[in-house]
Amino acid sequence: NAGVTQTPKFQVLKTGQSMTLQCAQDMNHNSMYWYRQDPGMGLRLIYYSASEGTTDKGEVPNGYNVSRLNKREFSLRLESAAPSQTSVYFCASSPDRGRGEQFFGPGTRLTVL
Amino acid sequence: DQQVKQNSPSLSVQEGRISILNCDYTNSMFDYFLWYKKYPAEGPTFLISISSIKDKNEDGRFTVFLNKSAKHLSLHIVPSQPGDSAVYFCAAKGGGSEKLVFGKGTKLTVNP
Repeated sequence: NAGVTQTPKFQVLKTGQSMTLQCAQDMNHNSMYWYRQDPGMGLRLIYYSASEGTTDKGEVPNGYNVSRLNKREFSLRLESAAPSQTSVYFCASSPDRGRGEQFFGPGTRLTVL
Repeated sequence: DQQVKQNSPSLSVQEGRISILNCDYTNSMFDYFLWYKKYPAEGPTFLISISSIKDKNEDGRFTVFLNKSAKHLSLHIVPSQPGDSAVYFCAAKGGGSEKLVFGKGTKLTVNP
């Protein structure tokens, strides 16, 4: 089992460029999440998907879109990147009726110039 | 409005001693609390959790204590080891939501 995988690991964009961060999990979890981590800010939820075909905004959704392509995959899209979106992005998944335990991917470090 | 607060950005302890990491919360609807550990350049990993119906949960060297009346939880690591050096995040969920609310993290350094 690979767990939660994310691509790419690193990315540098210019302001205004677009890109999609990919996430996949092989644990048959229904719930998936996208977070960003900034220095001194902890982990902040961007978007959440409770099941295939459903998505919900988190704490900091502005400037992002998501797609829950199927049960395994949950992608995060930046349509027009801004320097404020420079961050480390983590994808996570969790089982239903669990203890709240979420399994995280290794992260994508994004720099927007 | 920060619902989960970790007021100490950093903590330094000697190998073999106890590490105590603290976390406060404001939302009385939270019914599950978790601690995550994060090494540099890796994703967070689940460490230990506690339900609001308990006041203590132990797993090896790690113990989490919950004081509901004070809305406070703490993570004790005994004995601390250099490999425990990492950032520790406190998280909480409740009110029927599966979403976690994270604190800002505490960086623990265990000195040999």
